[in-house]
Amino acid sequence: KNQVEQSPQSLIILEGKNCTLQCNYTVSPFSNLRWYKQDTGRGPVSLTIMTFSENTKSNGRYTATLDADTKQSSLHITASQLSDSASYICVVTHSGYSTLTFGKGTMLLVSP
Amino acid sequence: GAVVSQHPSRVICKSGTSVKIECRSLDFQATTMFWYRQFPKQSLMLMATSNEGSKATYEQGVEKDKFLINHASLTLSTLTVTSAHPEDSSFYICSARRQNTEAFFGQGTRLTVV
Repeated sequence: KNQVEQSPQSLIILEGKNCTLQCNYTVSPFSNLRWYKQDTGRGPVSLTIMTFSENTKSNGRYTATLDADTKQSSLHITASQLSDSASYICVVTHSGYSTLTFGKGTMLLVSP
Repeated sequence: GAVVSQHPSRVICKSGTSVKIECRSLDFQATTMFWYRQFPKQSLMLMATSNEGSKATYEQGVEKDKFLINHASLTLSTLTVTSAHPEDSSFYICSARRQNTEAFFGQGTRLTVV
């Protein structure tokens, strides 16, 4: 069964600190992995998209890593800001069928 | 990135009435559109997948007669919640994609049934 597991479920950090979110998946065959940021009451917004051959991709203070061998990905947020408070969702695309499998998300709260 | 517009952003309706939610891809032709539902503090749950010009494929447990999906053109899909009940109150989100490309999400619609 294709699954995407995210950890931690929720996280509270102080403003200015760094944090790392984890995503493990069993989707196979794999096409790509995306990290989305979803603010409360809003639709998800794409942060990064990574294919099988990519190990690291950055988007400003967000850096995603991918290990396709161990089927793990992480999202590192540097120098967190209050506006980073949101749910971060890992989404894996199944190759061929183009179906998307969503993780349950990590709820991040950045406190002053 | 591509723009997906969802309308309305919020709607309140009386129990027993029907509500239509629109999802438009503004600057690309969406061969596939997805409809999701999200309850508070929970992840997105796929309701159905629709391809332009064909019937939607519903996920297990989603009533197709209650959640009517129409994907009549490459830029518009609609979700109609028929005979809405308070338990249908939720956040509904659509996403749209071109063939084998990234999916883009709408802003979501907050439905409250009173």
